[in-house]
Amino acid sequence: QSVLTQPPSLSAAPGQRVTISCSGTSSNIGNNYVSWYQQLPGSAPKLLIYENNKRPSAIPDRFSGSKSGTSATLAISGLQTGDEADYYCGTWDNSLTADVFGGGTKLTV
Amino acid sequence: QVQLQESGPGLVSPLQTLSLSCSVSGGSVGSDNYYWSWIRQHPGKGLEWIAHISRSGYTYYNPSLRSRISTSVGPSKRQFFLNLKSVTAADAATYYCARGVAVTGSVYFDSWGQGTLVTVSS
Repeated sequence: QSVLTQPPSLSAAPGQRVTISCSGTSSNIGNNYVSWYQQLPGSAPKLLIYENNKRPSAIPDRFSGSKSGTSATLAISGLQTGDEADYYCGTWDNSLTADVFGGGTKLTV
Repeated sequence: QVQLQESGPGLVSPLQTLSLSCSVSGGSVGSDNYYWSWIRQHPGKGLEWIAHISRSGYTYYNPSLRSRISTSVGPSKRQFFLNLKSVTAADAATYYCARGVAVTGSVYFDSWGQGTLVTVSS
């Protein structure tokens, strides 16, 4: 059981907008930055969002992140078939003194 | 742009020690403000953080694995290492090395190796 809770799967049509939630506690999301990763089938994870809402330069602005309280959200707009992947949130947990990840969300487009 | 590449045995016998290395190109483990990290992924499962090591050798370990793991940095500052003792079938996974960027209150992983699959079997 993961420390951070994500929906196991989501499905949306091309062109639509989808949001992926990541729920935690005051020990983790509530007091630390959240990052998001995309893992395409058979590939290593890739950083999508860091410090809650910042994008690396190579990541298109279709991807955005936000945080409110003890939850974070990844939004993907203008969905493309190439966005089919597993998505993970991550942060530091002050009580566990460990980096923690969500269980991942499998996005089907 | 930094690139990372894991290397290791692929197959480890139960109760033996798993030793992995990560080679860093386009950068150095001696760089400021980074942690050099290990993360694993069991087949069909999510990500599990294992450890960070800083350029000075300061370490953070996953509490659930702390008694069995050790990490180090190579003298050239172009490699870092993971040792996991007394492996069992539960340690079979794809192991990734990654560069962690340390910010106040978190570490995020901006570069990842391709991963190395480790099987535990006699």
